Amino acid sequence: SAVISQKPSRDICQRGTSLTIQCQVDSQVTMMFWYRQQPGQSLTLIATANQGSEATYESGFVIDKFPISRPNLTFSTLTVSNMSPEDSSIYLCSVGRQLYGYTFGSGTRLTVV
Amino acid sequence: QKEVEQNSGPLSVPEGAIASLNCTYSDRGSQSFFWYRQYSGKSPELIMSIYSNGDKEDGRFTAQLNKASQYVSLLIRDSQPSDSATYLCAVNMYYDSGGYQKVTFGTGTKLQVIP
Repeated sequence: SAVISQKPSRDICQRGTSLTIQCQVDSQVTMMFWYRQQPGQSLTLIATANQGSEATYESGFVIDKFPISRPNLTFSTLTVSNMSPEDSSIYLCSVGRQLYGYTFGSGTRLTVV
Repeated sequence: QKEVEQNSGPLSVPEGAIASLNCTYSDRGSQSFFWYRQYSGKSPELIMSIYSNGDKEDGRFTAQLNKASQYVSLLIRDSQPSDSATYLCAVNMYYDSGGYQKVTFGTGTKLQVIP
């Protein structure tokens, strides 16, 4: 299975600022997925990022708030923009295949103060 | 109705016993199913994947799928204290149009294995 390097692992940010999270995969993948996991809760899909096309956002998530870049088949970034304390969460990227499962990065623990 | 439902637990079992974790899903078009283990403060780790009705075994783990009942389960034999974690059920729906796919996670079942 693919190995994902995600950074930063954690950050504390001021409200109103933005944070960009990076994921680097050790192999080429068509789709990358971005999730949010709020404290004590399960994972919620934010968006699916395909190389060379606009990301597909899930209900409740918009591009202006969570812009995604996918410049090549091994790399993607998620930006959390104009942050508020409600954005405090763990953000995870994921890659994989439909029948065989998906691998996650180590996560970014974001605290907005 | 939630798309993927799990009992939140905690489920407590003695060491050496069989732990049984259950999951139901709402979308009959769902095509593949996964069990993840998540330790506190860590990202989810894939344990099992299954896409055909019946049982699939891997070591101490057995996944069971019944698409007619929209039910998937995970059995952990000879449970160990190191198995204490939250177990997430996940369901993959693949949309042919545009190649879009989406994995939906349950809220997880917390398992405690008592030494």
